[in-house]
Formats: sequence, structure tokens, C-alpha cells
Amino acid sequence: GIQVEQSPPDLILQEGANSTLRCNFSDSVNNLQWFHQNPWGQLINLFYIPSGTKQNGRLSATTVATERYSLLYISSSQTTDSGVYFCAVDETSGSRLTFGEGTQLTVNP
Amino acid sequence: SQTIHQWPATLVQPVGSPLSLECTVEGTSNPNLYWYRQAAGRGLQLLFYSVGIGQISSEVPQNLSASRPQDRQFILSSKKLLLSDSGFYLCAWRYWAGELFFGEGSRLTVL
Repeated sequence: GIQVEQSPPDLILQEGANSTLRCNFSDSVNNLQWFHQNPWGQLINLFYIPSGTKQNGRLSATTVATERYSLLYISSSQTTDSGVYFCAVDETSGSRLTFGEGTQLTVNP
Repeated sequence: SQTIHQWPATLVQPVGSPLSLECTVEGTSNPNLYWYRQAAGRGLQLLFYSVGIGQISSEVPQNLSASRPQDRQFILSSKKLLLSDSGFYLCAWRYWAGELFFGEGSRLTVL
């Protein structure tokens, strides 16, 4: 099956800093999603982005499908951005999403 | 609009006891339904998915089973829980190859 790798595994920032999270995948995909899991375990949809660039407030994402990677940008980070960020990809041949291991983000005040 | 609910939110069960987690989706028809587990640590492991009533695909051989008795209902079960079944269980839905949406999760502790 498809392999999904996220980096870095852990990231610690001071409030106000910017960051870039990366997701690499090993094969062609139908679509790609970014999620944020908050400290209470809830998984929140950030972006549904099979290709191109999208922005939502301080967050933006870019997927370059031909080069098999996606980037999640967080600007002016806030303590509420803390949690785990997951990338998930949908294989072209299947009906299931495969998740990366996530990036644990800690934003300190 | 579509919503997804799963219950119970938290449960503590003894080893060897049965399990039933339920998930329902509202405001949609013929969704794909999924059960994921998140053990200690971060990764989400796909356990089962279903593309229709009575159609279940199992991803990992284990002590669990899934059923889809109705179009918008997905149930995760076990006849006898093991310690290793502890974890955070998440139900999710989407239209074919569309955006995936998760329920609130069920935290299971097996003692």
C-alpha cells in the first residue's frame, strides 16, 4: 500500500512563530487531506487539497501531486494551534485513506 | 447538513467482556463508513470500512468485528476484549473518494 511520511515528528514553537509541516507520499493519490487533532482528541478538517494551494486564515496548504508532497503552513502561531497534525491520502485504486504518523505541534506562550 | 455521532464517548471494560460501539450518520445516504483506532501514540490505524449495507472490509486481523445493519449505521464489536484493545476509536464517513469527516471518538480502557 501507499506510504505516507510526515515531518518533523515533533515541533515546538513560541507563540507568533511560523512553521511548515511536510507530507510525502509514495504513489499517485486521488486526494489529500490535512487534519488537526486537538488535545481532547477531536479531529478537525483543515484542508481537502488534492492539488494546488488553499488558504484559510493563518493556515494554508499546497499539494504538488506530481512530486508527491504536500505542505501545511501555519503563520503567527497561537497556543490553540497545539496538537497533532495529520496528513491523509486517498489511493487511486481504493476507497480508504491512509494516514501519516502526524506532527506533534506545541506552541508555548 | 451531515452529522456523525458515535457512542459511548468513554467506557471502561474488564478483560473478556463484550464490546459494542455505535456510529450513525445523518443527512446523507449511501456513505462510505470507517472505523479507525488510535492507540497510545499518534497513528490512526484503519480497522474496517464499508461501502454499503452488509459490505465490510477488514484491514487488520484482530479481536474485533464490524457490521453495517443499516445504510447510516456502523457498529464495532468484540465478543471478548483484550488488554490490547484499549485505545481511542474513531468513526468516519465520506462520499466515495470525497472528504472524510470524523465523529467525536470513543475512548476505551480495558482493565
